[in-house]
Amino acid sequence: AQSVTQLGSHVSVSEGALVLLRCNYSSSVPPYLFWYVQYPNQGLQLLLKYTSAATLVKGINGFEAEFKKSETSFHLTKPSAHMSDAAEYFCAVSPPWGYSTLTFGKGTMLLVSP
Amino acid sequence: DAMVIQNPRYQVTQFGKPVTLSCSQTLNHNVMYWYQQKSSQAPKLLFHYYDKDFNNEADTPDNFQSRRPNTSFCFLDIRSPGLGDAAMYLCATSKDRQETQYFGPGTRLLVL
Repeated sequence: AQSVTQLGSHVSVSEGALVLLRCNYSSSVPPYLFWYVQYPNQGLQLLLKYTSAATLVKGINGFEAEFKKSETSFHLTKPSAHMSDAAEYFCAVSPPWGYSTLTFGKGTMLLVSP
Repeated sequence: DAMVIQNPRYQVTQFGKPVTLSCSQTLNHNVMYWYQQKSSQAPKLLFHYYDKDFNNEADTPDNFQSRRPNTSFCFLDIRSPGLGDAAMYLCATSKDRQETQYFGPGTRLLVL
């Protein structure tokens, strides 16, 4: 079985500061990994995904994430936070075969202050 | 623009009264998924269709059923909603297995 742990239900940063959202996974084989963003009362939007190619993945809106197999981590970063980044972020994992059924972490709410 | 559409965005129903949520897509994707997301929780997969093949998650309650009459539409039926079924219901599609999932805006269900 696969699982995802997101450390910190809430993360607060100042505008312009580094954003770091943590994600660790558990899987018997290297999975595919995803970060999604959800704005209030909206669906999920894909930020980026890792599917066993380059370990450093660049996504939309200036976000990137690095797959570290030895640490079973896939942390999301952005060098400079913007007010519009305030949202909930979900890390998800899917097996590298069969259907891409996603198992999500519990989410991290990113708060950005002026 | 190609997209995933969910109607209605907000649905109020009464305890025990059957309700149907709708999802349509213009992406011509083969796979359609239904997720339940309760307040402050992660989305949880209920079931998915690959074309007409239905795949139910082991822990999805029998109270939840789904229909996919054609490629474009998929419905979520809740036969006898309980208070615990109040949640956001998200529909997603992917072109094929192992392809990126695209989500609709969700339907928020309130059970009175």
